[in-house]
Amino acid sequence: DTGVSQNPRHKITKRGQNVTFRCDPISEHNRLYWYRQTLGQGPEFLTYFQNEAQLEKSRLLSDRFSAERPKGSFSTLEIQRTEQGDSAMYLCASRPAGGGAYGYTFGSGTRLTVV
Amino acid sequence: AQTVTQSQPEMSVQEAETVTLSCTYDTSENNYYLFWYKQPPSRQMILVIRQEAYKQQNATENRFSVNFQKAAKSFSLKISDSQLGDTAMYFCAFMRSGGGADGLTFGKGTHLIIQP
Repeated sequence: DTGVSQNPRHKITKRGQNVTFRCDPISEHNRLYWYRQTLGQGPEFLTYFQNEAQLEKSRLLSDRFSAERPKGSFSTLEIQRTEQGDSAMYLCASRPAGGGAYGYTFGSGTRLTVV
Repeated sequence: AQTVTQSQPEMSVQEAETVTLSCTYDTSENNYYLFWYKQPPSRQMILVIRQEAYKQQNATENRFSVNFQKAAKSFSLKISDSQLGDTAMYFCAFMRSGGGADGLTFGKGTHLIIQP
């Protein structure tokens, strides 16, 4: 168990470019979440997968944001036509089935800077 | 919708002292879970302690304990015998019971500094 892995750790992009981030959850965790954390704020929930099904996506910030989890394993978060306001830390977390009070395991995040 | 409020943006205490971080929340749910997470500088978020709302007994994990007041919707974290490694951002978080499809709702965090 190597924890939740996120790549890249840092991404600098020019405004208007598309970016994609990857998250590899803990292998036995079927639930996967994406969060955005801006400076001085707590993480903000974006979207949720149970296996390969995206069960909650209404909290994605705009139609420029999309996420996938093919085959219920790794997940990708894509931001199209990036804007300076997209600069933030993007966190991925996974959780096992069974729910309850099981806490989430977070990755180290991808820090996006849009210039 | 749920909200979580952490009213202390920053706290600073001397090593070995006891410190309490405040958290209040607002929800119409009766069944839910509360968490405290620690986020050291440039490092990943780590679960410190969790509390099930249906349990009256306050959770304890070594030097960390909570004071859960369900009626007051308050969930404070007490750190005893504080250590330099406790320096970090601390986030209070709420999760509805029933699958967690809407994820965690976080407060804005408290920056805790432990002075040598």
